[in-house]
Amino acid sequence: DTAVSQTPKYLVTQMGNDKSIKCEQNLGHDTMYWYKQDSKKFLKIMFSYNNKELIINETVPNRFSPKSPDKAHLNLHINSLELGDSAVYFCASSQNDYGYTFGSGTRLTVV
Amino acid sequence: ELKVEQNPLFLSMQEGKNYTIYCNYSTTSDRLYWYRQDPGKSLESLFVLLSNGAVKQEGRLMASLDTKARLSTLHITAAVHDLSATYFCAGTNNNDMRFGAGTRLTVKP
Repeated sequence: DTAVSQTPKYLVTQMGNDKSIKCEQNLGHDTMYWYKQDSKKFLKIMFSYNNKELIINETVPNRFSPKSPDKAHLNLHINSLELGDSAVYFCASSQNDYGYTFGSGTRLTVV
Repeated sequence: ELKVEQNPLFLSMQEGKNYTIYCNYSTTSDRLYWYRQDPGKSLESLFVLLSNGAVKQEGRLMASLDTKARLSTLHITAAVHDLSATYFCAGTNNNDMRFGAGTRLTVKP
């Protein structure tokens, strides 16, 4: 039973499209995150939610909008996709700043 | 904001050799994590270091933490090819985890 699951695993789309990535965790963790890993493998935090409340909102374009319908889910919607958005997006969860668990990643390719 | 620096960024070593990866961080970090990432895969947790002087070992890998120096190390003993991967350290502060740039380790026969 996967602890943090993301869908889709791969996403290929054209510039200008709008797409969503979904994430669900079954660990009972209170905090969920989105990270972006670029082509140089650098991992950058984008957003963090604690019990459905946004607590970290890094400097990312406002084309990126997270949504947390409940503490087990954190989705990422991206409007007007650009070439530079191509990356691997990882969802993660934690409890009390501990037990960070990462999903398998979504490889987004914008063409 | 917590900043984490790792070095080296690239490491090519021969099987059987020892080496250390260094991780410095800028401000107080609640915990220090080490992760392994294989190509095309997710991040696998290796170690969590909670307090000053903490040392943890698993197989050929040993991690340590010096909170006064704001330094963690990952020591590799007698490297084998299976250890080839990218290794990340990460610090946390109030549910905010920040990563180093990663060390891409290649172990050659």
